[in-house]
Amino acid sequence: GQNIDQPTEMTATEGAIVQINCTYQTSGFNGLFWYQQHAGEAPTFLSYNVLDGLEEKGRFSSFLSRSKGYSYLLLKELQMKDSASYLCAAMDSNYQLIWGAGTKLIIKP
Amino acid sequence: DTGVSQNPRHKITKRGQNVTFRCDPISEHNRLYWYRQTLGQGPEFLTYFQNEAQLEKSRLLSDRFSAERPKGSFSTLEIQRTEQGDSAMYLCASTLGQAEAFFGQGTRLTVV
Repeated sequence: GQNIDQPTEMTATEGAIVQINCTYQTSGFNGLFWYQQHAGEAPTFLSYNVLDGLEEKGRFSSFLSRSKGYSYLLLKELQMKDSASYLCAAMDSNYQLIWGAGTKLIIKP
Repeated sequence: DTGVSQNPRHKITKRGQNVTFRCDPISEHNRLYWYRQTLGQGPEFLTYFQNEAQLEKSRLLSDRFSAERPKGSFSTLEIQRTEQGDSAMYLCASTLGQAEAFFGQGTRLTVV
């Protein structure tokens, strides 16, 4: 079956760095997406990886290892506004997004 | 605003009533997805269209749910004989090919 696993909740301190891990199993693979979702709002796109390696975009970076079925989202210089849920989604061979349940990130001052 | 637009933003209905939601995707996007999301969960796939063709429908979707996308533009999602378990956020997303999906603000349905 198809499955995405990510931690349910993480806590970090303002100004620090946090890494949110995601493992996936899909029928075929066409890329790994990370989305941010604030409470009561729609998900917004953060990053896309289809090749192995690290993609850096400002304070956010995303890593992919296709052989391990593994990705992580790295958030640096955490700000209070980064408190949100972070959703990992893998695109399968039918171009369908298979979603994780999301990781709720709590930032403490 | 050229993003994905969903209407209404909120809907409260009595159990047993029918409801219809509308989604206007980004105009050049050929794929349109409907998802349902409950608190603490990721989006759950309901159905998707490529242009006007409905290509896939979740096996979890009961016969009370139907979706259309006439002329490959806007889409509607109808739920007949609503049940309390249908209470959720209904999200629409559009994409061009396999690029990132852009989401609308969602329609929050409450069935009382």
